[in-house]
Amino acid sequence: EAGVTQFPSHSVIEKGQTVTLRCDPISGHDNLYWYRRVMGKEIKFLLHFVKESKQDESGMPNNRFLAERTGGTYSTLKVQPAELEDSGVYFCASSQVLAGISYEQYFGPGTRLTVT
Amino acid sequence: AQTVTQSQPEMSVQEAETVTLSCTYDTSESDYYLFWYKQPPSRQMILVIRQEAYKQQNATENRFSVNFQKAAKSFSLKISDSQLGDAAMYFCAYRSAGTPLVFGKGTRLSVIA
Repeated sequence: EAGVTQFPSHSVIEKGQTVTLRCDPISGHDNLYWYRRVMGKEIKFLLHFVKESKQDESGMPNNRFLAERTGGTYSTLKVQPAELEDSGVYFCASSQVLAGISYEQYFGPGTRLTVT
Repeated sequence: AQTVTQSQPEMSVQEAETVTLSCTYDTSESDYYLFWYKQPPSRQMILVIRQEAYKQQNATENRFSVNFQKAAKSFSLKISDSQLGDAAMYFCAYRSAGTPLVFGKGTRLSVIA
């Protein structure tokens, strides 16, 4: 079974540019989460999809971040325009929902975003 | 708000020895889950062990075990017979029903041959 995959693994962009990160969850996982780790700090929650719906987006830092999950499959996270403080590692995770219970989250390898 | 604190930014252990990583958390919930995740240098984060708060028995997974002290809100990870492959960042995390994971800052573990 393929794990959670993320693309690209590393992105370097200039301030003001746009970047789109992609996450492919494990097949059949309805839950999809985005997290971010800024250097030296905690991994912080950004948002949570259940299928194609945003269940919780309380962690999104501002309106420069836009997440989508078309058709309840893969998800994209767009940063537009990027700022220096957006640099960090963006993790995606997915989990199953069975009988209303969410199970362990499986993480992707992350995308390291560097804004210069 | 729930918080998770890992007070050891870095730890080291000799190969074959035992090491304990500390984690404390703060919550007003009575039912929740605690996790230890491992992130090796290749960056894929994997679940090492989980503990349900309602279970008094400490979870174990082979060489990994936890010391869960609910009243003290402490959740330490013990790695026995440390191996070179155990070198990684270790994150303690908390979750209650319907909430996302809350992580600590992580502890970087080095294993010395």
